[in-house]
Amino acid sequence: GENVEQHPSTLSVQEGDSAVIKCTYSDSASNYFPWYKQELGKRPQLIIDIRSNVGEKKDQRIAVTLNKTAKHFSLHITETQPEDSAVYFCAAKEYGGGNEKLTFGTGTRLTIIP
Amino acid sequence: NAGVTQTPKFQVLKTGQSMTLQCAQDMNHEYMSWYRQDPGMGLRLIHYSVGAGITDQGEVPNGYNVSRSTTEDFPLRLLSAAPSQTSVYFCASSYQTGRGETQYFGPGTRLLVL
Repeated sequence: GENVEQHPSTLSVQEGDSAVIKCTYSDSASNYFPWYKQELGKRPQLIIDIRSNVGEKKDQRIAVTLNKTAKHFSLHITETQPEDSAVYFCAAKEYGGGNEKLTFGTGTRLTIIP
Repeated sequence: NAGVTQTPKFQVLKTGQSMTLQCAQDMNHEYMSWYRQDPGMGLRLIHYSVGAGITDQGEVPNGYNVSRSTTEDFPLRLLSAAPSQTSVYFCASSYQTGRGETQYFGPGTRLLVL
């Protein structure tokens, strides 16, 4: 089955600086890569996703990049703000392939230092 | 819309007891899943369903049963609770578009097994 590794497990960034979280996946059939944000005591929420036919996707201060050859994808947050403090999870799935299992990474706790 | 709802919010069980975690969604989503979240281990898939009457095992199915008799409901049953099942349980529902999938999580059930 799919295995998703996520690094780093914790990340502290000065407010206004950028943060990068990286994930690798093992199953070359995976073609859908969402990112979720989970604030303390809350449920995970989808913040951005990317499919394998796209190399990069942006949404305001958030961007995701994908390298299919190396089987890794990254989340980039620019101009970080205190409300960006949360745990971020990457995930991978073979979308449309009949396997409906979404495999998550172990999470990155991002702390924005004011 | 209430979205995805879960009951109870918190439960304490003794080893060997059984119970059912309830999950319901009012968005007419075909796909529903159960995850458990443990510190440092991310979200791990227990069971999932791609529609009424269809269920399948995830990554950590042992000790849990599910059924899906309606589109709206997807209960998770713990057959004989063990301390290793102490965790936070999230139910999720999702729909798929041609570009990807948006998964909505419930608020979670915090389970403590003594």
